[in-house]
This record gives sequence, C-alpha cells and structure tokens, in this order.
Amino acid sequence: SQTIHQWPATLVQPVGSPLSLECTVEGTSNPNLYWYRQAAGRGLQLLFYSVGIGQISSEVPQNLSASRPQDRQFILSSKKLLLSDSGFYLCAWSRGNGPYEQYFGPGTRLTVT
Amino acid sequence: SQQGEEDPQALSIQEGENATMNCSYKTSINNLQWYRQNSGRGLVHLILIRSNEREKHSGRLRVTLDTSKKSSSLLITASRAADTASYFCATDPPQAGTALIFGKGTTLSVSS
Repeated sequence: SQTIHQWPATLVQPVGSPLSLECTVEGTSNPNLYWYRQAAGRGLQLLFYSVGIGQISSEVPQNLSASRPQDRQFILSSKKLLLSDSGFYLCAWSRGNGPYEQYFGPGTRLTVT
Repeated sequence: SQQGEEDPQALSIQEGENATMNCSYKTSINNLQWYRQNSGRGLVHLILIRSNEREKHSGRLRVTLDTSKKSSSLLITASRAADTASYFCATDPPQAGTALIFGKGTTLSVSS
C-alpha cells in the first residue's frame, strides 16, 4: 500500500529565516506530487506540482520554491520567510496516469513570528 | 484561481439527518471529486464522478453531477457525529494539467 509522509508536523520560525519542508511517498513509482497551502478556515491554494524528477510547475509567484530531487521526494523551500507564509502546508500525490485522485499527507503547521 | 465554490459555507444538523452540500464550477471538467478534511488533518478522497456520469453512490454518500449547470451535490444520509468535518469539491479543468482546483469548502457540524 502507498503512504505519504510529511515533516515536521509543526514549525515555528522567525521572519527572514529559511524553510525546508519535506514530503516522501512510499509504495508507488513516478507519482505526480503537489504542494498546497491552506490559510485558517480557507480552501486549498495550489503552490507547486510536479509530474517527474526535476519538473516543477509553479502556480503562485511568491518567495517559495519547490524541488524534486528523487522520484518520490518533494521539498518546499524558502530562503527568507514572511509573516504571510504562515499556514497549513499539505503535500499530496496522485498516480501518473490519471484520473488523479489525490492522497494527502498529514500536513505541516507553519507559524512565522 | 478558484474553480469550485461550495454552498453553504457552514451547515449544522442533528445526528440522523441528511446533509446536502453543493458545488458550482466555471469551466469544463473531466472529473469532479469530493474530499473530506477533519480539523488539522490532511484531506481524504471520498468519491470521484466523471463528466459523463450523473450520479454515484458510495456507502452513505450520494454525488450528483449536472454538467449543463456546472454543479454537483454531495448528500450524506443518516449523518453521524463522526461526519463532522469540512468537505471540499475539486475539479480538473483541461488547462490545469494534472492539478486539481479546490473550492473553499463546506464546514459540517453534526451534533448528537
């Protein structure tokens, strides 16, 4: 069976500090991978998605970046966090050949102070 | 950009009652999906309905899709306190590639 891991579960970082959130998927190969951000009480905002190693599509211009160094690893980064980067970050995967039901990780609660 | 919009934003019912949530979207789609999110957790996929289907059932869930009206509904029958969660619809318009576009969700509270 497939599983998806995210860490850390919670994170408190000062403004201007760097960020690295990691997501890994087990039990499948060549998944599509996604990063979302969810503000309190709001819907999901798609940040990045990837259909293969080194292939990243950015949906929202901001100070965040994503990388996919391995087939089942997806990393969300920032060089300098802003207060507005606070939120609940969710990683998800879907099968590469559709119809693209997505399977979500447990999420990371980021608070920028 | 927001594709799906759920209605109502919040719904409070008693155990045993039925809960109906609606979703409207703007562009053509291949499929429409419904997800559930318990507070502070990741989303869980509930059901997918293809654009050529009109109705689909899964346990106590019934989903309808009207592509002419660009709308879908999720019905939860005989609700339970454990159904308390936020429910999101998600669409996959052709221009989104493999990505899904989520609505803002309906928050359902079921009291016992």
